[in-house]
Amino acid sequence: ETGVTQTPRHLVMGMTNKKSLKCEQHLGHNAMYWYKQSAKKPLELMFVYSLEERVENNSVPSRFSPECPNSSHLFLHLHTLQPEDSALYLCASSLERSYNEQFFGPGTRLTVL
Amino acid sequence: AQSVSQHNHHVILSEAASLELGCNYSYGGTVNLFWYVQYPGQHLQLLLKYFSGDPLVKGIKGFEAEFIKSKFSFNLRKPSVQWSDTAEYFCAVIIIQGAQKLVFGQGTRLTINP
Repeated sequence: ETGVTQTPRHLVMGMTNKKSLKCEQHLGHNAMYWYKQSAKKPLELMFVYSLEERVENNSVPSRFSPECPNSSHLFLHLHTLQPEDSALYLCASSLERSYNEQFFGPGTRLTVL
Repeated sequence: AQSVSQHNHHVILSEAASLELGCNYSYGGTVNLFWYVQYPGQHLQLLLKYFSGDPLVKGIKGFEAEFIKSKFSFNLRKPSVQWSDTAEYFCAVIIIQGAQKLVFGQGTRLTINP
């Protein structure tokens, strides 16, 4: 148990659906991250939140919308996704937006039909 | 742009064989270096990290890695692998100055045959 939980673990959605991914960390960290893990590609950083403020958006399409209501929770709202968005979405947290290690959740396996 | 290269995409070994996984990065300044492991069906977890000091770092489960600054490398090693080491291994680098973004290599899948 890493202290970072993600729900749901699996999600299948159509291109017209709206869904949300949830991440929660119990480690007292104040930086949180969304990554996309696709087959045969490096992990891609999507968003970074530090002290509940978005500090980085890595050219992610607007159909992905993050939300960080407090330092323990992070959401990724999804709407009108494309089949190529199917991937494993990983949440991570760290103690401040520092150079130290990040702790990862188990991920949400997303399939877009 | 900063990049991390893992040259071995899939490595297959027998138990008790020695392991070395390559990792090279492209940034010339000060970096922190990490190896993460992802066992089948499990989350990414830290194997070991290098910040400064002794360039030979030891991690969990008998793994070690050596930072060679002149070669921009941080190769992962284990003298004798076990079936339970079957997993995907990711090298990652964070630049000390600048964007502080953790950049991952594309991963190496390790299969250990019993």
